[in-house]
Amino acid sequence: AQSVTQLGSHVSVSEGALVLLRCNYSSSVPPYLFWYVQYPNQGLQLLLKYTTGATLVKGINGFEAEFKKSETSFHLTKPSAHMSDAAEYFCAVIGNYGQNFVFGPGTRLSVLP
Amino acid sequence: NAGVTQTPKFQVLKTGQSMTLQCAQDMNHEYMSWYRQDPGMGLRLIHYSVGAGITDQGEVPNGYNVSRSTTEDFPLRLLSAAPSQTSVYFCASSYSIGLAGGAYFGPGTRLTVL
Repeated sequence: AQSVTQLGSHVSVSEGALVLLRCNYSSSVPPYLFWYVQYPNQGLQLLLKYTTGATLVKGINGFEAEFKKSETSFHLTKPSAHMSDAAEYFCAVIGNYGQNFVFGPGTRLSVLP
Repeated sequence: NAGVTQTPKFQVLKTGQSMTLQCAQDMNHEYMSWYRQDPGMGLRLIHYSVGAGITDQGEVPNGYNVSRSTTEDFPLRLLSAAPSQTSVYFCASSYSIGLAGGAYFGPGTRLTVL
């Protein structure tokens, strides 16, 4: 069965610093991978996704992620953190039968002034 | 487009009470689903539907019922609420049954069961 792990339930960075949020997955089939962001008291919003093709994918708000099959990873990065990036971030993979997302436990990002 | 809407935003129930969480989308999406979000556990699938008249169970279906009589609406029913159902509930829809395009999530319903 598919599963997703996210290293670090809480990550703090200074404004302007590099953001790196880690995601590893297990999948018995070629994975479709997603990053969602959840701002306080809101629903989830799609940041970016990998389905096929280029392994470096760019999303909204300056975020990008790289699919590394050999490492079963899909880490999320942003070169320079902004205060507005403070949120919870979820990595997800599509489940075995393509009918649901399997989410990681989430990483809360704090951005310090 | 309003996207995915959910009502109510907040609800407090007593153990044993019943209620229905409403979800509607105006994007003509065939796929709709319900997730619950609990701290440190991410989101877990309760039920989903791939079209009107078709529903199926997800990872945590016990204690919940769904129906899909129209493309737009996908209500979630709690027949006899229990404290273990205290959670934040999200409805999601997708134009792609295979979910490759991602999904649109509603703003959530925060439910407390006393």
